[in-house]
Amino acid sequence: EPEVTQTPSHQVTQMGQEVILRCVPISNHLYFYWYRQILGQKVEFLVSFYNNEISEKSEIFDDQFSVERPDGSNFTLKIRSTKLEDSAMYFCASSYLDLNQPQHFGDGTRLSIL
Amino acid sequence: GIQVEQSPPDLILQEGANSTLRCNFSDSVNNLQWFHQNPWGQLINLFYIPSGTKQNGRLSATTVATERYSLLYISSSQTTDSGVYFCAVLIYGGATNKLIFGTGTLLAVQP
Repeated sequence: EPEVTQTPSHQVTQMGQEVILRCVPISNHLYFYWYRQILGQKVEFLVSFYNNEISEKSEIFDDQFSVERPDGSNFTLKIRSTKLEDSAMYFCASSYLDLNQPQHFGDGTRLSIL
Repeated sequence: GIQVEQSPPDLILQEGANSTLRCNFSDSVNNLQWFHQNPWGQLINLFYIPSGTKQNGRLSATTVATERYSLLYISSSQTTDSGVYFCAVLIYGGATNKLIFGTGTLLAVQP
């Protein structure tokens, strides 16, 4: 079964540094998402992306965050200047053309800010 | 915004026991997914269930959309069932397309 892949699985970064989290969505999916889970808390929506542009973003997704689909397969989340509170598990997800389809999640990237 | 509440928040079972997890949501939703988050943090898709009942092995789920709740049944629990169970409701319309996750149920199955 096709799956969403995320790299790296764990990223350790100094506060203030830029970090890029990478995702390869399922190949025929057209909707892409990032979610965040702070340790011990529930999963929160960050941003959705369709047709090469952001379709919705949450209050968490401030100017420090950006997303990009640099080629036909990758989908990236960039945090420009990381803060301690950015430490979390970041999940990428994708879904098929029809919006009323399940979202498929990657295994996540655990981001630790020192 | 929509609220998604799960109960119980924590549950301890002996291996072989059955359990029912509940998900309540405060408004109409387009669809609902159940996930199992294993001890390594991976989110495993269990069910995609807008209404009715589905079964997959020892697990089954029922969603009653008109009454705004969903139930996840685990029968003959095993230690590998341990982890956090999340329900998530799908909201879409216009530019909106996102999952709103519930608060989770932490399940520990003891041998």
